[in-house]
Amino acid sequence: DTGVSQDPRHKITKRGQNVTFRCDPISEHNRLYWYRQTLGQGPEFLTYFQNEAQLEKSRLLSDRFSAERPKGSFSTLEIQRTEQGDSAMYLCASRAGQGFTEAFFGQGTRLTVV
Amino acid sequence: GNSVTQMEGPVTLSEEAFLTINCTYTATGYPSLFWYVQYPGEGLQLLLKATKADDKGSNKGFEATYRKETTSFHLEKGSVQVSDSAVYFCALSLNQGGKLIFGQGTELSVKP
Repeated sequence: DTGVSQDPRHKITKRGQNVTFRCDPISEHNRLYWYRQTLGQGPEFLTYFQNEAQLEKSRLLSDRFSAERPKGSFSTLEIQRTEQGDSAMYLCASRAGQGFTEAFFGQGTRLTVV
Repeated sequence: GNSVTQMEGPVTLSEEAFLTINCTYTATGYPSLFWYVQYPGEGLQLLLKATKADDKGSNKGFEATYRKETTSFHLEKGSVQVSDSAVYFCALSLNQGGKLIFGQGTELSVKP
């Protein structure tokens, strides 16, 4: 199965540390999204790439957050100087082509900041 | 702004009961509408979608009709099974790169 994969699945870090998550989309999917989901809530959009270009960033994405998608393949999401409020599930999704094609989600990376 | 509101859960039903999960939306444009499902321990999966008014999306016995006049996209199933126990998310997407705006989710628990 070549679905969307995310690594790591779980991350526990101390407040103030930096963390980096990786997302490998379905190959040939040109669009890649990051979402954040807290307990009991729906996913919230963070940022979006079309190929290697980051085309949209949510106001939720503070300066401590940065995302990259070099070469338009895998993507990384880095959080600097983590805070307890960053504890959440970070989801990655990818989709092919244009328009409202199906978005395929990874299983997420659960971040706990202690 | 653009938003999605779902009925609060958890919803607990007996097997073979009728299911309705309400979803209403607010959108500045003309959105496409989706229902995603998250089974325990799994990632979000697309359940069904509708891209224009009066369209009906259907899959696995679930249906939802895009009602522009009431800005709604309620999810229904005539006879639920234990295996339908999951969290259901209503979402919309506008023509802005295809990002999804989700409701808060509704947990469904089906008892045998």
